[in-house]
Amino acid sequence: GQNIDQPTEMTATEGAIVQINCTYQTSGFNGLFWYQQHAGEAPTFLSYNVLDGLEEKGRFSSFLSRSKGYSYLLLKELQMKDSASYLCAVRGGLGDYKLSFGAGTTVTVRA
Amino acid sequence: SAVISQKPSRDICQRGTSLTIQCQVDSQVTMMFWYRQQPGQSLTLIATANQGSEATYESGFVIDKFPISRPNLTFSTLTVSNMSPEDSSIYLCSVEDPRANEQYFGPGTRLTVT
Repeated sequence: GQNIDQPTEMTATEGAIVQINCTYQTSGFNGLFWYQQHAGEAPTFLSYNVLDGLEEKGRFSSFLSRSKGYSYLLLKELQMKDSASYLCAVRGGLGDYKLSFGAGTTVTVRA
Repeated sequence: SAVISQKPSRDICQRGTSLTIQCQVDSQVTMMFWYRQQPGQSLTLIATANQGSEATYESGFVIDKFPISRPNLTFSTLTVSNMSPEDSSIYLCSVEDPRANEQYFGPGTRLTVT
């Protein structure tokens, strides 16, 4: 089975940094995705990690440790528009393209 | 990235009726999926839409309730049959681009069953 855990809510101040952790226990692993979802909208792809290490894309970075079953999404220089739900999703074994999603972390950015 | 459109964007339906949701992609894709997102919850995979063969359903979802068609590599439909208020949800199709290791979502169909 798939078990993906992330915090329910986080609050941070505009301009600050927030780190959203995701731990997973899955029957197979072929990559971890992070998505951003604003209320009433579809999820938007942010990042993909399949090898250990840090992937940086502008203000957003994602880290993966496969041995620990752990990932984090780092949001820097927070802006009000970053207030959204952030979803961690794991893809199963080789050749399996289905995604299993965590419950999502609601990030609120305050002025 | 692929551009995905869904129709309808939203609908209000009476219980006992059925609704067919369409998903159109602007390029040929091998992998297409249907997800459900119930109010306040995360996404749950309903099924993988296979081109030219029957869809592969996840545990808890059956073909009689959620029949799926995939006639070609750019189009799929999901039908929500014999609806009840518990089916009120957002239904999203997604496609995988194996070359880019990215999975994109359509804008979703917001369904309310009264």
